[in-house]
Amino acid sequence: EAGVAQSPRYKIIEKRQSVAFWCNPISGHATLYWYQQILGQGPKLLIQFQNNGVVDDSQLPKDRFSAERLKGVDSTLKIQPAKLEDSAVYLCASSLDQGFTSPLHFGNGTRLTVT
Amino acid sequence: ILNVEQSPQSLHVQEGDSTNFTCSFPSSNFYALHWYRWETAKSPEALFVMTLNGDEKKKGRISATLNTKEGYSYLYIKGSQPEDSATYLCASFPSGAGSYQLTFGKGTKLSVIP
Repeated sequence: EAGVAQSPRYKIIEKRQSVAFWCNPISGHATLYWYQQILGQGPKLLIQFQNNGVVDDSQLPKDRFSAERLKGVDSTLKIQPAKLEDSAVYLCASSLDQGFTSPLHFGNGTRLTVT
Repeated sequence: ILNVEQSPQSLHVQEGDSTNFTCSFPSSNFYALHWYRWETAKSPEALFVMTLNGDEKKKGRISATLNTKEGYSYLYIKGSQPEDSATYLCASFPSGAGSYQLTFGKGTKLSVIP
């Protein structure tokens, strides 16, 4: 089966600029996650979708971050405007269900550098 | 959100040595514990999902145990090989009262020296 696809792999922007990341999950996976991993820390959940509905976005900085999953398949994560502290790896993952007895399947991530 | 702790933060072992690391998590309201391996420039790969106290899982030279009453899991690697070099992440669900997220630890970075 094809894995989780993410793009771009790398992105360098200046602070106050905007950036968008794209994710295509494994076919048939209803649950999609965006995680932020800052160097030296564990991945932190930003937002979780079940089909095209938001299950959890409690740690998403909503003043600058937004995400959508139209038609319950692909998803985009946007940052506008970016801050220096947004430099991180952004991981997209998908799973068969949201019960956490199924493993998460991750994409390769997008490494964002904000200068 | 309560913490998931992993130790050690990093370690270096010689090829052929066996090693183990620890994941500590909140034992109250435990539901599932995940282990992932994250090699440089690759995507994190699922190793195990464990739910039952006393459970033990094995995948080749890697095995894991789970103690839900005291809130810890051990990951063992037997006869380490250079290709085992990676960061090993554990994640617990749920992570605390009112929180239903899969929460990750900071990981243990393993370097296997040929």
